[in-house]
Order: sequence, then C-alpha cells, then structure tokens
Amino acid sequence: TQLLEQSPQFLSIQEGENLTVYCNSSSVFSSLQWYRQEPGEGPVLLVTVVTGGEVKKLKRLTFQFGDARKDSSLHITAAQPGDTGLYLCAGDYNQGGKLIFGQGTELSVKP
Amino acid sequence: KAGVTQTPRYLIKTRGQQVTLSCSPISGHRSVSWYQQTPGQGLQFLFEYFSETQRNKGNFPGRFSGRQFSNSRSEMNVSTLELGDSALYLCASSPQGSPGELFFGEGSRLTVL
Repeated sequence: TQLLEQSPQFLSIQEGENLTVYCNSSSVFSSLQWYRQEPGEGPVLLVTVVTGGEVKKLKRLTFQFGDARKDSSLHITAAQPGDTGLYLCAGDYNQGGKLIFGQGTELSVKP
Repeated sequence: KAGVTQTPRYLIKTRGQQVTLSCSPISGHRSVSWYQQTPGQGLQFLFEYFSETQRNKGNFPGRFSGRQFSNSRSEMNVSTLELGDSALYLCASSPQGSPGELFFGEGSRLTVL
C-alpha cells in the first residue's frame, strides 16, 4: 500500500513568518503535485514536480522534489492571511488519474 | 473555459437510500476521477474513467459505482447508503498527457442521516 505522510498536520503562525510543509513516501513518484483547498471548494493545483532535485517557485511559495523522487517540501516565505487553507500533496505512481493524497496541512496565518 | 461542474452541491439522504452524483469535466478533458473526502481519511480515490472505460478503481465496496458517457460527463452512484458515506465527493478531470494534474469541481456534500 502506497502511503504519503504529510507534516505538520496543523500550523498556526503570524503574518510574516516562514513555514515549511513536508511530504514523504517510501515509494518513488512519477510526479508529485501540491494542491491548496479552501473551505467549501475543491482542491486547486499549485504545482507539479517531475524531475528529482527539481525546484519550482510560485511567488512566495517554493516547491522542492527530492533527488530520489520520494519526498517533497513546500516552503512559504513571509506568510500572509490569504495563504490560509488546506495544503495537500499528492503522488502519482504512474496509475493514470489515481493520485495518493497526503492527509493535508491545515495552515492558519493570523494578521 | 468553464471549470468542472458537479451537481448537486448539497444533499441529505437517509440510510438505505441511494444517490447519484453528476460531473461535467472541462471541455476537452477525457479523464474523469472521483474522490471521497472526509475529515478522518482525507482524500481517497474512488475510480477513474477515460473514454467511457473504468481504468482504475480504489478500495471501496461495490455499493460505489460510476460510469462515463460519450461526452465525457460522468456519474457516480452509491447504493444502500450508510452513515459513514457522509462525505464531500469530488470529481476531477485531467488533460491528456498530464494524469497527475487534476482540476477539481467544488464537490457534492452528502449527508446521510
């Protein structure tokens, strides 16, 4: 059974602080996605990483894919209240549209 | 381009009833996946359809079924509802060549009483 462990589960920080969310698996991904979900809505795709060691930036968000393609991290610099939401990592094990999702990180950024 | 549309958004059923949820994918997307989201289990894969064929199925009982039509629209059905089926059911479509990049609808919130 493929599992994706995401940590931390909950994160409450002040505006302006930095944070990192981790996503780990014992299996190799063919690709990994990060999604963000707000209450009452479906997850929205933030980024896809495919190559081991890859780093992608999306404004204040930096995504890294581990060299062995088994882990990933999301780093947010100078968090803002608008970053509040549920962050989900999802691994694609080359099984078509079947993704394995982590449990999610509930981020709250207080002004 | 219109996003993924799911209907109904909210519904309340009682145990033993059945329910059908509908999903219209983004135009041009032929792959449609369904996920169940609960606070305890997170997002769990139900099944995936491509060109009217089920390509993948998750570990859910046979009470959960789905289908896809020639226009790529999809439905899922849950029969003999149980209290534990209360969840947000999410449909997602993906473009060809990008199987991990899912575009989700807003979901159908099912409450079973």
